[in-house]
Amino acid sequence: EAQVTQNPRYLITVTGKKLTVTCSQNMNHEYMSWYRQDPGLGLRQIYYSMNVEVTDKGDVPEGYKVSRKEKRNFPLILESPSPNQTSLYFCASRSSGAPTDTQYFGPGTRLTVL
Amino acid sequence: RKEVEQDPGPFNVPEGATVAFNCTYSNSASQSFFWYRQDCRKEPKLLMSVYSSGNEDGRFTAQLNRASQYISLLIRDSKLSDSATYLCVVKGDNFNKFYFGSGTKLNVKP
Repeated sequence: EAQVTQNPRYLITVTGKKLTVTCSQNMNHEYMSWYRQDPGLGLRQIYYSMNVEVTDKGDVPEGYKVSRKEKRNFPLILESPSPNQTSLYFCASRSSGAPTDTQYFGPGTRLTVL
Repeated sequence: RKEVEQDPGPFNVPEGATVAFNCTYSNSASQSFFWYRQDCRKEPKLLMSVYSSGNEDGRFTAQLNRASQYISLLIRDSKLSDSATYLCVVKGDNFNKFYFGSGTKLNVKP
């Protein structure tokens, strides 16, 4: 089954404790992206990657890091989480060649930073 | 100014009603346009892409007006299962950046 998986699905942590949210896709997609969703603000793009070792900032990259060492994986790293990073996070992937630009989203990770 | 703006709703309609959502975008160089559906904080799923000529998929019709920079979604004969939040999405002139509206909530009542 074609899918995007994220782990963990729920996480409660404390300020300053480094964490990583994993994202993996089995569709051989070149493009992957991370979003955060906050009430009234919609989804905002954090980082995206066009292919292995190629990443770029989205609209809200501050406080986040990413890496793309393998095509299927695109982890999101919070080196020193703060309460304003409490949010619902989605990973997405798409094929660069897809004419419809359809993005497939993971199930989401609900993060709370105390 | 937000890249994509939508009326947050909620739109409360009876079953069988026709309902229309609009969305405006700020960048005239935007490349592609979409409607996604999101159920109760689950992951967004593509409902339909929006083409310049307009397109229809069953009870759903999407229109794009580039001159006025707005996108619309029409749902005919609403079903209870249509209750969800509808997200307007625009791909910017950077082919890798996507901008989401904050969503319009639809409640279809029996």
